[in-house]
Amino acid sequence: GEDVEQSLFLSVREGDSSVINCTYTDSSSTYLYWYKQEPGAGLQLLTYIFSNMDMKQDQRLTVLLNKKDKHLSLRIADTQTGDSAIYFCAATSGGGADGLTFGKGTHLIIQP
Amino acid sequence: DAMVIQNPRYQVTQFGKPVTLSCSQTLNHNVMYWYQQKSSQAPKLLFHYYDKDFNNEADTPDNFQSRRPNTSFCFLDIRSPGLGDAAMYLCATSRDIGVGQPQHFGDGTRLSIL
Repeated sequence: GEDVEQSLFLSVREGDSSVINCTYTDSSSTYLYWYKQEPGAGLQLLTYIFSNMDMKQDQRLTVLLNKKDKHLSLRIADTQTGDSAIYFCAATSGGGADGLTFGKGTHLIIQP
Repeated sequence: DAMVIQNPRYQVTQFGKPVTLSCSQTLNHNVMYWYQQKSSQAPKLLFHYYDKDFNNEADTPDNFQSRRPNTSFCFLDIRSPGLGDAAMYLCATSRDIGVGQPQHFGDGTRLSIL
């Protein structure tokens, strides 16, 4: 089955860019998602990318997909204290009803 | 605003005492999911409904059941909760299947077992 890996922690200074990385194993993964989870809350969909795309930009967020290496990244420009959260990478190889395979999440820590 | 609503936010039950968690949605989505998320772990899919069709994940314990009486509501029933079932339970919806529709999550119910 699919396996999604992320580093557990990332520490950046306020105002710098944050880059959160993710790798996945199933080359048939066609949809890749980034979710944000703040303490005690559910998951907020940030952005997603289809496998026929290399890049997607949405305001401060940029997603890069390298299909050859099965590598996905999320770049947050001008990181703010409100960006402090856990960021989950998720993949699915089919439609929504296949369920998502999540990574363990990356804790983004913002230094003043 | 259209959304996925989970009640209650926090639930405490006793070891072995049945408990039901509730999820409702105003998105009119066809698919509803239940995930279990233990501390510092990734959410894990338990099962989902596509309309009235129930789909159980192979490794979901028999102790977990679900009901979907109508499009808007979906319930998670834990028949005999054990200490290992303490977790955050997340409900999610997606519009349909087969076209990569994103899943939208509620805020979760944190279940504690005494």
